[in-house]
Amino acid sequence: DAGITQSPRHKVTETGTPVTLRCHQTENHRYMYWYRQDPGHGLRLIHYSYGVKDTDKGEVSDGYSVSRSKTEDFLLTLESATSSQTSVYFCAISEEQGLNYEQYFGPGTRLTVT
Amino acid sequence: LAKTTQPISMDSYEGQEVNITCSHNNIATNDYITWYQQFPSQGPRFIIQGYKTKVTNEVASLFIPADRKSSTLSLPRVSLSDTAVYYCLVGDGHNQGGKLIFGQGTELSVKP
Repeated sequence: DAGITQSPRHKVTETGTPVTLRCHQTENHRYMYWYRQDPGHGLRLIHYSYGVKDTDKGEVSDGYSVSRSKTEDFLLTLESATSSQTSVYFCAISEEQGLNYEQYFGPGTRLTVT
Repeated sequence: LAKTTQPISMDSYEGQEVNITCSHNNIATNDYITWYQQFPSQGPRFIIQGYKTKVTNEVASLFIPADRKSSTLSLPRVSLSDTAVYYCLVGDGHNQGGKLIFGQGTELSVKP
């Protein structure tokens, strides 16, 4: 299995509080991604990174920010959590960009915003 | 990105062969067809990828007809542990920022 860890694995937080999720990889892959998965929506891309300090928005980026100061770490921050951000968050990595390159997914973080 | 259509759910029994078909009428010349598998409470994982004809690996086979407007994932002799959601993705990636558009997937339930 690819070396990807996510922390925390579970979190319950209150509306309006900031939350940071961490993705850590040991594969030295250039590309890292954050997805959220909700019933009825499949997986949707939030943000992705193509290198240290290089990030871009995905299809559902509103309310989220990311940072990548080291190759191995990709942080997802909910500036002010809302109930609509209750979801399962997955981090993924890939060696190169493109559908023809396999993406490896982490175990996920289940976030509940009350 | 080519839109894909696949059945929402399928049921099977242990030992049977399962075929899941994905329609992608608007597939482009440079597009690959990729399948991911997701077990409950886990992230998706890559199963197989192809461009045309047939691809086989230790997990599955992928059949792609000449017109490439559909593809079929074949799982031989399924077991209970094959119960999962299977996603069909189509694209070349180079024009989509590496995004994977998963859609709803097919929920496969294998019964004893």
